[in-house]
Amino acid sequence: KQEVTQIPAALSVPEGENLVLNCSFTDSAIYNLQWFRQDPGKGLTSLLLIQSSQREQTSGRLNASLDKSSGRSTLYIAASQPGDSATYLCAVLYNNDMRFGAGTRLTVKP
Amino acid sequence: DAMVIQNPRYQVTQFGKPVTLSCSQTLNHNVMYWYQQKSSQAPKLLFHYYDKDFNNEADTPDNFQSRRPNTSFCFLDIRSPGLGDAAMYLCATSRETLWSLAGGDTDTQYFGPGTRLTVL
Repeated sequence: KQEVTQIPAALSVPEGENLVLNCSFTDSAIYNLQWFRQDPGKGLTSLLLIQSSQREQTSGRLNASLDKSSGRSTLYIAASQPGDSATYLCAVLYNNDMRFGAGTRLTVKP
Repeated sequence: DAMVIQNPRYQVTQFGKPVTLSCSQTLNHNVMYWYQQKSSQAPKLLFHYYDKDFNNEADTPDNFQSRRPNTSFCFLDIRSPGLGDAAMYLCATSRETLWSLAGGDTDTQYFGPGTRLTVL
């Protein structure tokens, strides 16, 4: 069964701290993995997409890594800001399905 | 400038009364997607179009249909909404299918703000 897990479910950090969000998946036969941000009551914003052949992708203060063999991905956020507060979702694309994790709700306190 | 537009933002319908949600894009992307996100749950991909080729996900209920009359527009039709269909419906686009995207922070999906559907 293809399951995607995100731990922790919620995270609260002070402004300026570097942090890591985790995503694990049980089936490593993936096409790619995406990290999304979702603000309350809003749509998704795609942050980074990593192909199965790639190890990491970077965008500004964000760095996403992928270790397909161990079934893990991390999203690193540097120098967190209150505006980073949102729910972060990872989604794994398989041959015939796309599986989302339940998300990590991040709060960055001023 | 809005790139993926969904109308209406909020839709109320009655149990069993057909409803149509709309999505338009200014990105000229080949692919358009519809997702369903129920309260406090992760999104679920319903189907997608590559140009006019329709691709239905395996467990999408028959109650849900979609139309894409041209590159810019895509519609989600719910033929007989039930209480369990109350959700946020998200439209997204991408240059190529998810299976073909190069990756990074630009060759990804672009989402609209969603339409929240209430079924009375």
